[in-house]
Amino acid sequence: DQQVKQNSPSLSVQEGRISILNCDYTNSMFDYFLWYKKYPAEGPTFLISISSIKDKNEDGRFTVFLNKSAKHLSLHIVPSQPGDSAVYFCAASYYSGTYKYIFGTGTRLKVLA
Amino acid sequence: ETGVTQTPRHLVMGMTNKKSLKCEQHLGHNAMYWYKQSAKKPLELMFVYNFKEQTENNSVPSRFSPECPNSSHLFLHLHTLQPEDSALYLCASSQDGETGYRSPLHFGNGTRLTVT
Repeated sequence: DQQVKQNSPSLSVQEGRISILNCDYTNSMFDYFLWYKKYPAEGPTFLISISSIKDKNEDGRFTVFLNKSAKHLSLHIVPSQPGDSAVYFCAASYYSGTYKYIFGTGTRLKVLA
Repeated sequence: ETGVTQTPRHLVMGMTNKKSLKCEQHLGHNAMYWYKQSAKKPLELMFVYNFKEQTENNSVPSRFSPECPNSSHLFLHLHTLQPEDSALYLCASSQDGETGYRSPLHFGNGTRLTVT
């Protein structure tokens, strides 16, 4: 049973436009959500996070929105740049004896110049 | 440069070999993790160590054996692996346990393992 789902395996966006990546989760115990970016041959790099007590967190071109009632979060990148082309992973965390981080399958974003 | 260093970057081993993956974190974190990434699957949590104690073993086969001698070093000992164990193995660290503070995971660049 996949607790964190990214239903879009890929997304193409024109440079300068907004990229919206989506993520759904099922476990109500999750209280901390994160987005990671991964280039080929590198490990995932932390981008931005949000606590369950908030509904929005912004860092430069990146904004994460959390809708707890819908168990949905999204990452907005504005404006999108070619260097943003990568695989983006959504992750959710909860505490059960130790902090656990559950990842989605990723969305491959391609920003077209 | 990443604060989490993994060696080797690539490893090819036969099913009868014994090898070890090494991870070192330079971030002063107190928790370390092993994840497995297979093609078209989410990152799978394998093991968690918190303050050098193993706090999670996510039903991983015994042919994978972790070792955490201190809070900065983590090993994954491999023996009699199967071809389906070929994957990218990622180490991560975080700072956990402080009240009200949640730390993201910081990953190394992984070891690409091929079992022949």
